Amino acid sequence: DQQVKQNSPSLSVQEGRISILNCDYTNSMFDYFLWYKKYPAEGPTFLISISSIKDKNEDGRFTVFLNKSAKHLSLHIVPSQPGDSAVYFCAASVRRNTGKLIFGQGTTLQVKP
Amino acid sequence: DTEVTQTPKHLVMGMTNKKSLKCEQHMGHRAMYWYKQKAKKPPELMFVYSYEKLSINESVPSRFSPECPNSSLLNLHLHALQPEDSALYLCASSLDRGGKLFFGSGTQLSVL
Repeated sequence: DQQVKQNSPSLSVQEGRISILNCDYTNSMFDYFLWYKKYPAEGPTFLISISSIKDKNEDGRFTVFLNKSAKHLSLHIVPSQPGDSAVYFCAASVRRNTGKLIFGQGTTLQVKP
Repeated sequence: DTEVTQTPKHLVMGMTNKKSLKCEQHMGHRAMYWYKQKAKKPPELMFVYSYEKLSINESVPSRFSPECPNSSLLNLHLHALQPEDSALYLCASSLDRGGKLFFGSGTQLSVL
């Protein structure tokens, strides 16, 4: 049972345009959501998070949107840069203090110069 | 210092070997984690330590034995592994349990 799903395995975007990565979840108890970026042979790097009490969080070029009724979140990267090319993982947890983070399958983003 | 350091970076071991993976952080984090990641799959939680006590074991086989000697160190002892245990083993830490995780670069393990 995959509780966090990233249905697009890959995404290709032109430099300077917007990248939109999507994530769906099934467990309505999730109350904390995070996005991680991963380069080959490196560990995931934290990008941005959002609590279920919010519907938007912004940090520089990165914005995460949460739609609780649709159980959907998205990561917007504007403008996209070639250095953003990586695998992006969506993750979620039930009650922020459990420590159990469940990851989606990942989306490989390629930003073309 | 915002790093989680894992050693070794690569490890090849036979099914009868005993080896250990090491993880260290000096950020004052009180929660530490072991994750396993197979190729083209998401990381999967194995263990969570909170304040040096094991708080989550995701039904991991006993051939994997975690140890948290102090708040900065986390070990994963390996014994009698199977070839299907070959994977990238990631250590992570967070200020407290459930917070934002900082990951190390991982140990790429191959079991022959």
